[in-house]
Amino acid sequence: AQSVTQPDIHITVSEGASLELRCNYSYGATPYLFWYVQSPGQGLQLLLKYFSGDTLVQGIKGFEAEFKRSQSSFNLRKPSVHWSDAAEYFCAVAPNNAGNMLTFGGGTRLMVKP
Amino acid sequence: EAGVAQSPRYKIIEKRQSVAFWCNPISGHATLYWYQQILGQGPKLLIQFQNNGVVDDSQLPKDRFSAERLKGVDSTLKIQPAKLEDSAVYLCASSHYYNEQFFGPGTRLTVL
Repeated sequence: AQSVTQPDIHITVSEGASLELRCNYSYGATPYLFWYVQSPGQGLQLLLKYFSGDTLVQGIKGFEAEFKRSQSSFNLRKPSVHWSDAAEYFCAVAPNNAGNMLTFGGGTRLMVKP
Repeated sequence: EAGVAQSPRYKIIEKRQSVAFWCNPISGHATLYWYQQILGQGPKLLIQFQNNGVVDDSQLPKDRFSAERLKGVDSTLKIQPAKLEDSAVYLCASSHYYNEQFFGPGTRLTVL
């Protein structure tokens, strides 16, 4: 069975600073990988996804993520964080042969200092 | 295009009571999902429907939870009787078959 680990429960960055959120997955083959963002009281919104091909994936709101097979990682990055990026971020994995049954990590709460 | 609708947004009940949540997916989406998100954790899939058939309910506590999707559109998730540990946000999502999932705002359940 697949699993996802997000090692950082909370991260605080200053506005304008760069951001990297870590995600490690466990799966026997190359899975489908996703990053979602959840603002308070809101549902989850898809930021980006990786299915195959180029290992650097561009998403919405200026986010990108890089798939590294050797490290079983799919870290999310943003070069310059805005105050509105404060939210909870979830990494998720789906097996590539069973539809899109998502398994989520525990999430990373991002706080942005002015 | 309207998103996934859920109601109620908030519900407070006492343990051993029953509760039901409703979800209306995006029009035309064949696949519907119910997730449970306990505070401080990621969402956990409870059940997945394809049209009005169940694809996966392996993580649904069937002794107290039930879900249905009549006519392959709206869905209802019920808990009977509720326990303290059922306090969570219940998220509904839908997708066009196995494409991107779109999530509703969720129902926050508090069991006292």
